[in-house]
Amino acid sequence: AQSVTQPDIHITVSEGASLELRCNYSYGATPYLFWYVQSPGQGLQLLLKYFSGDTLVQGIKGFEAEFKRSQSSFNLRKPSVHWSDAAEYFCAVGARNDYKLSFGAGTTVTVRA
Amino acid sequence: KAGVTQTPRYLIKTRGQQVTLSCSPISGHRSVSWYQQTPGQGLQFLFEYFSETQRNKGNFPGRFSGRQFSNSRSEMNVSTLELGDSALYLCASSIPAGTYNEQFFGPGTRLTVL
Repeated sequence: AQSVTQPDIHITVSEGASLELRCNYSYGATPYLFWYVQSPGQGLQLLLKYFSGDTLVQGIKGFEAEFKRSQSSFNLRKPSVHWSDAAEYFCAVGARNDYKLSFGAGTTVTVRA
Repeated sequence: KAGVTQTPRYLIKTRGQQVTLSCSPISGHRSVSWYQQTPGQGLQFLFEYFSETQRNKGNFPGRFSGRQFSNSRSEMNVSTLELGDSALYLCASSIPAGTYNEQFFGPGTRLTVL
């Protein structure tokens, strides 16, 4: 069974600074990996996804993530955060021919002025 | 194209009652999944439907059930509500396309059980 670990529960970053959120997954085969963002009281919005190919994927809102098979990681990055990036971020893993996502516990990002 | 819609958005029930939540997927999407989100357990998969058939089910008691209609709309039902059922219930739809499953989420239904 697949599982996801997000080691950081809460991160505080200054506006304009860079951001990196960590995600480690456990899955025997090639996983399908996703990052979602959730603003308070809202559903989940897909930021980016990795299925295969280029290990550096670009997403919406200036986010990118890098798949590293050797480290079982899929870390999310943004070079310069904006106050509107304050939200909760979830890493998720799916499997080939499976129909469910397994989510990490989430990382809450606070942006200070 | 309209997104995933969920009704109602907020619901207050008392213990022992039952509740039905509704989800309308994105037009053309035939797979609907349900997730429960709580502060303690995070996001947990409930079940997934495709063409009116349940294809996958998470580890939830039988009080949680669902169904899908021919127009792909889905409902989930929780009977004999418990305090611990208070959660945000999220519905997600996908096409699905081939072997992967990119899911698009609705805004959720916030259920409070008193």
